[in-house]
Amino acid sequence: QKEVEQNSGPLSVPEGAIASLNCTYSDRGSQSFFWYRQYSGKSPELIMSIYSNGDKEDGRFTAQLNKASQYVSLLIRDSQPSDSATYLCAYLEAGSYQLTFGKGTKLSVIP
Amino acid sequence: DAGVIQSPRHEVTEMGQEVTLRCKPISGHNSLFWYRQTMMRGLELLIYFNNNVPIDDSGMPEDRFSAKMPNASFSTLKIQPSEPRDSAVYFCASSFRAPSTDTQYFGPGTRLTVL
Repeated sequence: QKEVEQNSGPLSVPEGAIASLNCTYSDRGSQSFFWYRQYSGKSPELIMSIYSNGDKEDGRFTAQLNKASQYVSLLIRDSQPSDSATYLCAYLEAGSYQLTFGKGTKLSVIP
Repeated sequence: DAGVIQSPRHEVTEMGQEVTLRCKPISGHNSLFWYRQTMMRGLELLIYFNNNVPIDDSGMPEDRFSAKMPNASFSTLKIQPSEPRDSAVYFCASSFRAPSTDTQYFGPGTRLTVL
């Protein structure tokens, strides 16, 4: 059974610190990986996608992928209170249409 | 672009009533997804359409649930009869399906409460 594991949190970090969110997945056929941010009462919003091993940076966000270890992470530098949300990890198997989501990690950035 | 549009945003109904949720995908997208989100189960895929054709409805919980996509710009999810355990947030998402680069964009969701 395909699974995505995330620590549900809450993860609390002080403003300005680096927040590190982690995700492991069970499907070795996974090809594409996504991080969605979901504010309370809102819909998931795509913030990062990563397709190959290594790091991908976009502003304050860095996604890291290690397919051999079946591990993907999201680093948020200089965390801001506005980053407080639930972060959902998801993957897409090669040739598939179906995203498999984790249940999310709740991040709280303390001013 | 207006993004994915869903209506209504909130729906409160009584057990046994019919509920219809509506979705307008992003123009040009050829794939449409209906999800349900609850605290206990997270985001669950209910059904997937590609080019208006239902491809996989294995996530639809029961025969009480049905979905249609009569054209590329409109889809409905119907629950008849509704039950309290159907209370959840229902999201519609769309994407332009291309190899390895599917990115799904979510609508604002419909919060359904069945009393």
